[in-house]
Amino acid sequence: QKEVEQDPGPLSVPEGAIVSLNCTYSNSAFQYFMWYRQYSRKGPELLMYTYSSGNKEDGRFTAQVDKSSKYISLFIRDSQPSDSATYLCATPGFSDYKLSFGAGTTVTVRA
Amino acid sequence: EPEVTQTPSHQVTQMGQEVILRCVPISNHLYFYWYRQILGQKVEFLVSFYNNEISEKSEIFDDQFSVERPDGSNFTLKIRSTKLEDSAMYFCASTAGVGTDTQYFGPGTRLTVL
Repeated sequence: QKEVEQDPGPLSVPEGAIVSLNCTYSNSAFQYFMWYRQYSRKGPELLMYTYSSGNKEDGRFTAQVDKSSKYISLFIRDSQPSDSATYLCATPGFSDYKLSFGAGTTVTVRA
Repeated sequence: EPEVTQTPSHQVTQMGQEVILRCVPISNHLYFYWYRQILGQKVEFLVSFYNNEISEKSEIFDDQFSVERPDGSNFTLKIRSTKLEDSAMYFCASTAGVGTDTQYFGPGTRLTVL
């Protein structure tokens, strides 16, 4: 069973819209989740991480974990064309070393 | 800001040839990783490396693959006899510590096997 699953999209929104991205995870005991951003032909770059449940906010970005439904979300407020990228959810699961990634959702913010 | 670097950015090779992909992790990091991403697919873990030993590897990382830290700065991935299906982006990553420490990724090497 895959640790995280993510709808690959793609998602296209107008500039200024709220972008909502979601992943589900397989085991309710997982506690640590990340969102990475990947621009075309570049390596993943950590955007945010969350631990256990609840919200975490960083500027225009908010990450949420809902343990009851095994759901993680990333919201981007006031989206900009520079936010156009692929967003990857990830978790180490029970590993001390590897990250398991979702398929990534490709987001395009139209000017 | 310190970053992970990888060379070459693009490698083209013939099937059956050996390739070595090179990475320079962030200088004070102790844990090193290789991931790959086949075009249009998700990023997949290959192997993690600490203290000159493999700490974890995936089922993808078979006998055709090996890793090495030949000196104090480089970390390499060798594919002994490349196959067409090895064509992918290969990303190196490093962390200062284990577990929930942030993994910093390099820009990747695009491997094309003909």
